[in-house]
Amino acid sequence: GAGVSQSPSNKVTEKGKDVELRCDPISGHTALYWYRQRLGQGLEFLIYFQGNSAPDKSGLPSDRFSAERTGGSVSTLTIQRTQQEDSAVYLCASSLGGGVGQETQYFGPGTRLLVL
Amino acid sequence: QKEVEQDPGPLSVPEGAIVSLNCTYSNSAFQYFMWYRQYSRKGPELLMYTYSSGNKEDGRFTAQVDKSSKYISLFIRDSQPSDSATYLCAMREYNFNKFYFGSGTKLNVKP
Repeated sequence: GAGVSQSPSNKVTEKGKDVELRCDPISGHTALYWYRQRLGQGLEFLIYFQGNSAPDKSGLPSDRFSAERTGGSVSTLTIQRTQQEDSAVYLCASSLGGGVGQETQYFGPGTRLLVL
Repeated sequence: QKEVEQDPGPLSVPEGAIVSLNCTYSNSAFQYFMWYRQYSRKGPELLMYTYSSGNKEDGRFTAQVDKSSKYISLFIRDSQPSDSATYLCAMREYNFNKFYFGSGTKLNVKP
């Protein structure tokens, strides 16, 4: 079956512009995560959606970052007024979101963002 | 102090060697531990998942958790060139869905 897909795969933008990154999770997965991975670094948690619950936004680094998930499926991560420090790979993951054994995350290939 | 510490490597070994990858953590509330493998320009994929102290084996891979020392390990036996990748540890608390990742260890297995 189809895995997690993300678009665009690469994005080059100018400092100060807004960007939107899209994630299509695996069908039926109720949980969705966004992570940021800077070059040579581990994954930095950004935001977590679970069903219809309020998202956990505790990892968003500033108010320039926002995310939404429409209809419990597709998610969009928006970065406003991009800065060079926002350059990174943005990874999306989804999971069944249930109890133990159901929270295995399946990752998309990521969007590589370069802010000039 | 970071929640999870992991030696970035790189670690270079000959084919057939036993590889040991490690992470330490500071939060004693972490209950679930995972190892992910990430190939270049790909998303991470889950290798091993455990929630108890002790060893868990899956083929050539063994995950080890020592909660008293806040230390986890991944052992790879008979390493292959195809094992060359970055290995990330991840962990979370019992009732929380926020995962904390290590920075990853880059492994190179030479033929």
